[in-house]
Amino acid sequence: DVKVTQSSRYLVKRTGEKVFLECVQDMDHENMFWYRQDPGLGLRLIYFSYDVKMKEKGDIPEGYSVSREKKERFSLILESASTNQTSMYLCASSPTDKSSYNEQFFGPGTRLTVL
Amino acid sequence: LAKTTQPISMDSYEGQEVNITCSHNNIATNDYITWYQQFPSQGPRFIIQGYKTKVTNEVASLFIPADRKSSTLSLPRVSLSDTAVYYCLVGDDNYGQNFVFGPGTRLSVLP
Repeated sequence: DVKVTQSSRYLVKRTGEKVFLECVQDMDHENMFWYRQDPGLGLRLIYFSYDVKMKEKGDIPEGYSVSREKKERFSLILESASTNQTSMYLCASSPTDKSSYNEQFFGPGTRLTVL
Repeated sequence: LAKTTQPISMDSYEGQEVNITCSHNNIATNDYITWYQQFPSQGPRFIIQGYKTKVTNEVASLFIPADRKSSTLSLPRVSLSDTAVYYCLVGDDNYGQNFVFGPGTRLSVLP
C-alpha cells in the first residue's frame, strides 16, 4: 500500500522558533509537494520538488523554505514561526509518468499551532 | 492556470444521487479535469479524472460536455460516509504542480 507519512500529527510552537516538518514517501516518486490548508481557502501550494535537490516556489512561499536531500524525504522549514502560519500542513507525492495521470498521494497532515 | 468555480456546500440524503458541477471557462486544450475527495482529518485522495465525454469508475462518474467549460461529478446513492469536501482541479498532466485546489464543495449527507 502506498504511503506518505508526516513526522507529527499535531505540533505547538512559539513565535520565532524554527520549525521543521518532515515528509517521507515510500513510492519512489519523483515529485513532492507541500501545501497548507486553511478554512475556506482550500489547499495552497507552498513549494514543490521534482527531483532531489530541486525545488520550485508555489503560490505562497514567503516565510518558508524546503529541503530535499534524498528522493524519499521532503522537509518544510519555517525559519521563524509566526502566528499567521498556524495551519494544517499537507505533504503529497506523485510520479512522473507520461503515459498516465500523475495522481498526488497525500499524507495525513500536520496541524501546527504557533503561539 | 484554469480557475474553477464550484458550490461551497451541498446537502443530500442517504440513497440519493448527488451531482456537483464545476465551472472552468478558461480550460486549456491540454488540461485534464480531476476530482479529489477529502475526509475530515485526512489528506485529499484522487477520485476520478477525465478529458472529455464521460468517465466512470467504481466510485463516481464524471460528465464533461463538448465545450469542456464545465464538468459534473456524479455520486450514485450516497451514504453517510460520503460526507466530505470535493475538489475540482483543472490542469495539464505535467508534474502535478499545475493543479490548483480551490475551496472545494462541502457535501453533507443526512440520514
